[in-house]
Amino acid sequence: DAGVIQSPRHEVTEMGQEVTLRCKPISGHDYLFWYRQTMMRGLELLIYFNNNVPIDDSGMPEDRFSAKMPNASFSTLKIQPSEPRDSAVYFCASSPGQGSYNEQFFGPGTRLTVL
Amino acid sequence: GQQVMQIPQYQHVQEGEDFTTYCNSSTTLSNIQWYKQRPGGHPVFLIQLVKSGEVKKQKRLTFQFGEAKKNSSLHITATQTTDVGTYFCAGPQANDYKLSFGAGTTVTVRA
Repeated sequence: DAGVIQSPRHEVTEMGQEVTLRCKPISGHDYLFWYRQTMMRGLELLIYFNNNVPIDDSGMPEDRFSAKMPNASFSTLKIQPSEPRDSAVYFCASSPGQGSYNEQFFGPGTRLTVL
Repeated sequence: GQQVMQIPQYQHVQEGEDFTTYCNSSTTLSNIQWYKQRPGGHPVFLIQLVKSGEVKKQKRLTFQFGEAKKNSSLHITATQTTDVGTYFCAGPQANDYKLSFGAGTTVTVRA
C-alpha cells in the first residue's frame, strides 16, 4: 500500500500568495482529516470529511483557509492569501471508519514556509 | 472542547533506563490512542485502549488505561535510541467524532 500521499512535501512562498496543498488518502478510507502542527499549538485538527462531505470545519482558523474533497481519492487545502503565521507542517490523515474509534493514517506532511 | 493533557512535555532518558509518560482527561474517554512521531516524521499509530483498566504490551512498551477511563500511561523499559521521538495520546472530543491530541512527550536518549 502506498499510504497517504501528500504534495508538495515542502512549500516556500511569499506573503499574499495562494497556497494549495494536496492529499490522496488510502483507498477505501471513508474519513479524511487535515491537521496543522506547530511548536506553539501542537497538532490541531482543521477539518475532516466523511465520504467526501465536510463534516466539521470548526478548526479552520479563518476564511483564508478552505478545503475541498471532490472525490474519494483527492483533497485540497487552500490558503489564500497566505500569511507568515500560516507557516507550519500540514498533515493529511485518513481512516477506515469513525476517526475517534479507528486508527488514523498520516501522510508525510507538507512543510509550509510563508515569508 | 475536550482536552487531553500530557506530562511531562520533555523526557531525557539515559539509554537502558525506564520511563513513563502520562495522559489525563477531565472527562471519561470512550477510548484512547497513542501515536509516535519521529523527528522530522509524521505521527504513526501505536495502539488503542478501550476497556477500563486495560493493559497492552508491545515489546518494551506497556500501555495502560485507567479504571475511570480518564487517564492513560505509556511505560518504556530499557530505553533505546530507537525510542527517540514524540509520543502523543489522543482521545475523542465530546461529540466522539474527532480526536483531540495531547501536546506530546518528546523523548531524547543519552547513549
